[in-house]
Amino acid sequence: EVQLVQSGAELKKPGESLKISCKASGYNFISSWIGWVRQMPGKGLEWMGIIYPRDSDTRYSPSFQGQVTISADKSITTAYLQWSSLAASDTAMYYCARGLPFDSWGQGTLVTVSS
Amino acid sequence: DIVMTQSPDSLAVSLGERATINCKSSQSVLYSSNNKNYLAWYQQKPGQAPKLLIYWASTRESGVPDRFSGSGSGTDFTLTISSLQAEDVAVYYCQQYFTTGTFGQGTKVDIK
Repeated sequence: EVQLVQSGAELKKPGESLKISCKASGYNFISSWIGWVRQMPGKGLEWMGIIYPRDSDTRYSPSFQGQVTISADKSITTAYLQWSSLAASDTAMYYCARGLPFDSWGQGTLVTVSS
Repeated sequence: DIVMTQSPDSLAVSLGERATINCKSSQSVLYSSNNKNYLAWYQQKPGQAPKLLIYWASTRESGVPDRFSGSGSGTDFTLTISSLQAEDVAVYYCQQYFTTGTFGQGTKVDIK
């Protein structure tokens, strides 16, 4: 059974850095794209980017290019989404998801950025 | 980037009636080499992660009830729920995966 288990909710201050994780199991991690989706409070889904763990090929939405970094560690079958400097506008639920299209989803990580 | 536009933004349908959601892409998502439309539909219920319903525009994901169907090609697509059930109340999103990926804005489906 494919499972994506995300790290827990985060409460951060503006300007702080953050790295959230998505632990994958139940499939060959290096052979499927894995991506991230943002959902701001009460809003729709926004495609952020994807990574192919086999060769770390990474694609970003123009809206998120330069704002976040997507990475993956093949040795522990885990994908990451990180920010170097958070803003209040980064407050959202973040989902990881597998494949193209996304056929399995994590449970979501709620990130709250507030002073 | 390809822009996906759904219509309507919301609709209310009586139980057992048909619900139809449209999705239009700003450029074709049909790949001529394999004749496949890189278009998916998702369902998101309140407080839950999205769930894949349809891919390649018309292929139902395993376990999805056959009252859900997808159609269309090129730039115009439709998701149809043939007989709305109470458990189908949700927001539905289309997504293109032809170039990276973009979602439509979502369509909220309620019971009339």
